[in-house]
Amino acid sequence: ETGVTQTPRHLVMGMTNKKSLKCEQHLGHNAMYWYKQSAKKPLELMFVYSLEERVENNSVPSRFSPECPNSSHLFLHLHTLQPEDSALYLCASSRQPSPDAEAFFGQGTRLTVV
Amino acid sequence: DAKTTQPPSMDCAEGRAANLPCNHSTISGNEYVYWYRQIHSQGPQYIIHGLKNNETNEMASLIITEDRKSSTLILPHATLRDTAVYYCIVRGVNSGYALNFGKGTSLLVTP
Repeated sequence: ETGVTQTPRHLVMGMTNKKSLKCEQHLGHNAMYWYKQSAKKPLELMFVYSLEERVENNSVPSRFSPECPNSSHLFLHLHTLQPEDSALYLCASSRQPSPDAEAFFGQGTRLTVV
Repeated sequence: DAKTTQPPSMDCAEGRAANLPCNHSTISGNEYVYWYRQIHSQGPQYIIHGLKNNETNEMASLIITEDRKSSTLILPHATLRDTAVYYCIVRGVNSGYALNFGKGTSLLVTP
């Protein structure tokens, strides 16, 4: 148990569906992250939030829309995804977005787009 | 960001120490060395990190050479549950916010 909880753990969605991934952290951290891990590829950073403000967006397509309503919750809204978007989506949090603050990850949401 | 080089795979007998090397010869003075591990299809697990000094916690020890060009993660008594991919990551202000995971070392602990 890392203190970062992601729901759902598994999700299958059609290309025309709209769904949301949820992340909650109970660590009192101020920074939250979305990462994507495709099959046999390294983790890729998607978005970073610091104190509920988006501070990084790594050229992610607009069909992925993040939302951070408060410092404990992070969402990733999905719409009109493609099969190549199937991946493990990981949420992480840290005290602050700085090099000496370790990040803790959730268990991820395994997304399959059909 | 400094790049890291790790062997692609290693074996270790259960109960023995696992010593995982990492080369980061281009590391700069303000970059930290981080270690994470990932068990298949789970989220990465933070293990330890350090800047210059050796570090130890309940999971592992991190030995950083004096010139900081390489480091070793030591799992003192490996168990079967330590079988995972281990990532050595160098992180500094130039990396922005990301932890740049490479390919890591796949550690297999055998009975």
